[in-house]
Amino acid sequence: QLQLQESGPGLLKPSETLSLSCTVSGASISSHGYYWGWIRQPPGKGLEWIANIYYSGSTYYNPSLKSRVTIPVDTSKNQFSLKLSSVTAADTAVYYCARLGTLAPGGNYYFDYWGKGTLVTVSS
Amino acid sequence: AVQMTQSPSSLPASVGDRVTITCRASQGIGNALGWYQQKPGKAPKLLIHGASSLQSGVPSRFSGSGFGTDFTLTISSLQPEDFATYYCLLDYNHQWTFGQGTKVEIK
Repeated sequence: QLQLQESGPGLLKPSETLSLSCTVSGASISSHGYYWGWIRQPPGKGLEWIANIYYSGSTYYNPSLKSRVTIPVDTSKNQFSLKLSSVTAADTAVYYCARLGTLAPGGNYYFDYWGKGTLVTVSS
Repeated sequence: AVQMTQSPSSLPASVGDRVTITCRASQGIGNALGWYQQKPGKAPKLLIHGASSLQSGVPSRFSGSGFGTDFTLTISSLQPEDFATYYCLLDYNHQWTFGQGTKVEIK
């Protein structure tokens, strides 16, 4: 059974760098055909896609966050991470990691497995 | 970037009702649309992919339709466990965009 678990600090000060890890169990992040991604949800608001990565290093970013985001992969630990620089209160959110798979031959990618999410609060 | 407009934002309904939620894309996206259900404090759950394909394990009262710019999620007979927030998601040119969400609440 594929499981994803987010981990990292829950409280940051403005201008700091948010750093979260997602540990994957039950499958290899090097599996062909899957991307791994991050999504966030501010309290009481909707979902926002942040970025996706393929184990080989191909990445896709939300243009509104691209300048502040990196998503390193550590295949030896079966983990991928999110680093978001220069955070402000607007970055306060529940952060989810997720797997993206194509659920039909030649189809588009959808987030089909999710972590439980971790709340990150930015406050001075 | 393709913009998604989801409506309504809130949908009061009763058990047994037929419920319809819509998403409209700012340009044609083929069938590159999925639907998610999210309950409070939980991660979203994939219901529909490819606009109309039911994800494994999802009850058949959920269905999706549409192609191009206009898409709908229909719950044929609302059950108590279906009160939740629903989001559409498009994947277009490797850019993923969620709709604003529709909260299905008890009338």
